[in-house]
Amino acid sequence: DTAVSQTPKYLVTQMGNDKSIKCEQNLGHDTMYWYKQDSKKFLKIMFSYNNKELIINETVPNRFSPKSPDKAHLNLHINSLELGDSAVYFCASSQEKDLIGETQYFGPGTRLLVL
Amino acid sequence: AQSVTQLDSHVSVSEGTPVLLRCNYSSSYSPSLFWYVQHPNKGLQLLLKYTSAATLVKGINGFEAEFKKSETSFHLTKPSAHMSDAAEYFCVVSEPRVDTGRRALTFGSGTRLQVQP
Repeated sequence: DTAVSQTPKYLVTQMGNDKSIKCEQNLGHDTMYWYKQDSKKFLKIMFSYNNKELIINETVPNRFSPKSPDKAHLNLHINSLELGDSAVYFCASSQEKDLIGETQYFGPGTRLLVL
Repeated sequence: AQSVTQLDSHVSVSEGTPVLLRCNYSSSYSPSLFWYVQHPNKGLQLLLKYTSAATLVKGINGFEAEFKKSETSFHLTKPSAHMSDAAEYFCVVSEPRVDTGRRALTFGSGTRLQVQP
């Protein structure tokens, strides 16, 4: 069974379109994340949710809106796509612990190409 | 504030020779440190992590890393490289954020390991 799954795996779309990426984890974790990996492989956190509550919201354009219907799902909706949004988007989950560095489990990534 | 510096963007070794991927960090707290591996067109997989227990940490696939607080380093090593080790490796630090108090990960820029036959 896949622990963290994302759909779609590949997404090719035109500038200006709206698209969504879905993420689901079956690990029973209470925290989920979205990361963006640019063309130089640099990974940066975008959002973090804990039990459906937004915890981290980095400096991300308002066109990006995460939605967590329950703690096993964290979807990412992107409005008015731009060329610079082309990247690989990774979903991750963890069981948050206060004192010990938690391990984050990553999905396979969604490769978004905006034309 | 935390940051992670991976000193080499690209490392090339011959199969059967040792691997050394270097990582230095800065952190305001006692951090947790991780190494993740990303094979081509795949997601990230945890290799090993340090969480203030033993300073020498053993991970999967024969990798290990040593936490050296005095040098603020967490270098990744493997005695003998295998072709299947060719991938991108990320050093990652976790510490509480100032704004939320919750832990967050900061990734290094990655080191691409190439293994020659």
